[in-house]
Amino acid sequence: GAVVSQHPSRVICKSGTSVKIECRSLDFQATTMFWYRQFPKQSLMLMATSNEGSKATYEQGVEKDKFLINHASLTLSTLTVTSAHPEDSSFYICSAPSLTDTQYFGPGTRLTVL
Amino acid sequence: KQEVTQIPAALSVPEGENLVLNCSFTDSAIYNLQWFRQDPGKGLTSLLLIQSSQREQTSGRLNASLDKSSGRSTLYIAASQPGDSATYLCAVKGNDMRFGAGTRLTVKP
Repeated sequence: GAVVSQHPSRVICKSGTSVKIECRSLDFQATTMFWYRQFPKQSLMLMATSNEGSKATYEQGVEKDKFLINHASLTLSTLTVTSAHPEDSSFYICSAPSLTDTQYFGPGTRLTVL
Repeated sequence: KQEVTQIPAALSVPEGENLVLNCSFTDSAIYNLQWFRQDPGKGLTSLLLIQSSQREQTSGRLNASLDKSSGRSTLYIAASQPGDSATYLCAVKGNDMRFGAGTRLTVKP
């Protein structure tokens, strides 16, 4: 089946630094990818929709200057958490729809900001 | 704005029981509905996808139904096993994808 990878799987960083998370669709092309955040014991929350070749669409309450999204190619989207703070510590997951519109999810990235 | 609700929030059953998880959504203008499984600290595994034109999908011991007009879906798990213990999420695809809060299932040996 279709596979979506994320890198890194875990990252620990100091407050104030920036962290880049990559999301790749390994065997299919995706013009759209989705980025989610999940706080402990809470459900996934959609952060933004990444669009290849154009600007990302952000959900209400998500700071676009803080969470930079770049959909550089049909198989790669990146999420950069700029000037990370402890409250940004979370589990970040991306997904990409296949041609049949089945959503395939990456394994997630656990971000810890000290 | 689409809202997705899952009931119950948590469920604990003995091994072997058949069980039903419920998902409801407020906007019936959807393309599809998908059920996922999430193990602690892990990503999501897709279980079943039901297109808006379909009424149910089956995979092994899992059966998912969709009643778009009433905004409901159910996930039926037959003969539950301890390995089924996980959080089950439903997600509705409209212009974007909205998740329910999930049902935490524990199957006791």
